[in-house]
Amino acid sequence: DGGITQSPKYLFRKEGQNVTLSCEQNLNHDAMYWYRQDPGQGLRLIYYSQIVNDFQKGDIAEGYSVSREKKESFPLTVTSAQKNPTAFYLCASSIVWVGRIYEQYFGPGTRLTVT
Amino acid sequence: AQTVTQSQPEMSVQEAETVTLSCTYDTSESDYYLFWYKQPPSRQMILVIRQEAYKQQNATENRFSVNFQKAAKSFSLKISDSQLGDAAMYFCAYRSASYSGTYKYIFGTGTRLKVLA
Repeated sequence: DGGITQSPKYLFRKEGQNVTLSCEQNLNHDAMYWYRQDPGQGLRLIYYSQIVNDFQKGDIAEGYSVSREKKESFPLTVTSAQKNPTAFYLCASSIVWVGRIYEQYFGPGTRLTVT
Repeated sequence: AQTVTQSQPEMSVQEAETVTLSCTYDTSESDYYLFWYKQPPSRQMILVIRQEAYKQQNATENRFSVNFQKAAKSFSLKISDSQLGDAAMYFCAYRSASYSGTYKYIFGTGTRLKVLA
């Protein structure tokens, strides 16, 4: 089955440690996205990538970093510079095709807790 | 910059009844796409329905339909014959149809729908 996988589902880290969240898709989508979800704030865009080896900052990129070395993978690193890292993180992907806009497909999410 | 507003943080509906969730957006663009996503307690985001701005006809998907008012920049979701499984957070989203470079989707803050048995 095609889809997006995020691992792990729950992640616990000590303050001051960097942590990397995994996102893999086998949908052959060009674009991938990372969102942060906090109660009452909807989905906020962290980073997005349209093609391999290229990515752009979203609305709340500070304290986060990404890489896009393969089409299928878009890992997100939450660095110690992120002041409030505890949140639910969602990865998404979509087709990029001139002439039509496609919806995003989402992974199951990772709940990160930093203490 | 585009914005999406969902003014109802929470709504309730009796099972088998109809409920309408509101969404307004602000944009200077004429061509764009609008989406409604559902996020059940499992937190898996699921596409409910999509609307292309250049189409005047309102989109429908089984019990789900939209009322798209382009001039008013309004995009409400109507759920008919509500079922217990419809209980979830519902997010409205906007995506520009421009190919000038941005591939961003803009989400509202969500409406939590409760379905009462």
